[in-house]
Amino acid sequence: GAVVSQHPSRVICKSGTSVKIECRSLDFQATTMFWYRQFPKQSLMLMATSNEGSKATYEQGVEKDKFLINHASLTLSTLTVTSAHPEDSSFYICSARPDGGEKLFFGSGTQLSVL
Amino acid sequence: GIQVEQSPPDLILQEGANSTLRCNFSDSVNNLQWFHQNPWGQLINLFYIPSGTKQNGRLSATTVATERYSLLYISSSQTTDSGVYFCAVVDQAGTALIFGKGTTLSVSS
Repeated sequence: GAVVSQHPSRVICKSGTSVKIECRSLDFQATTMFWYRQFPKQSLMLMATSNEGSKATYEQGVEKDKFLINHASLTLSTLTVTSAHPEDSSFYICSARPDGGEKLFFGSGTQLSVL
Repeated sequence: GIQVEQSPPDLILQEGANSTLRCNFSDSVNNLQWFHQNPWGQLINLFYIPSGTKQNGRLSATTVATERYSLLYISSSQTTDSGVYFCAVVDQAGTALIFGKGTTLSVSS
């Protein structure tokens, strides 16, 4: 089956630093990937749609300068949380749809803790 | 945008019991998936089911697209079934999955 690899699984950083999270489709190409955020005991909220070779599309209320998305290849999308603050602490999950397919596959998530 | 409502929000069962989880959505969909989120946060794909009925072991799902709902059946529940079950859909105008708030299932022995 399709595998999406997400790294790191957990990161702890100081306030003001930037953190990069990688999302890779291991055995398929994905022109489109998605980034979600999940607070404790809540649902997954779509942050942005990442498109290979073009700018990401951000959902309303998500700061594009805060959450930088780069989708430089058909198998890799990165999310950089810039100048992280404690309120950015959350569980971030990426998803990818194989080109030509309908089903979405998810990475294992990244728990970000900002001190 | 499309609204996804799941019920019940919480469900407590004894091992061996059966259960039905419901997902209602407010508009036509191109995609509907059921997930189980384990305690480590991993989303486990259960079903891709925009319409029709599928079965996988003790789990089965039915989506009635014309009436805008889907059901997830868990039979002979086990403690390992505990966790949060999410329904997520893609509407006809979108590309991303939009999630419901989930059903938290607790199965005790």
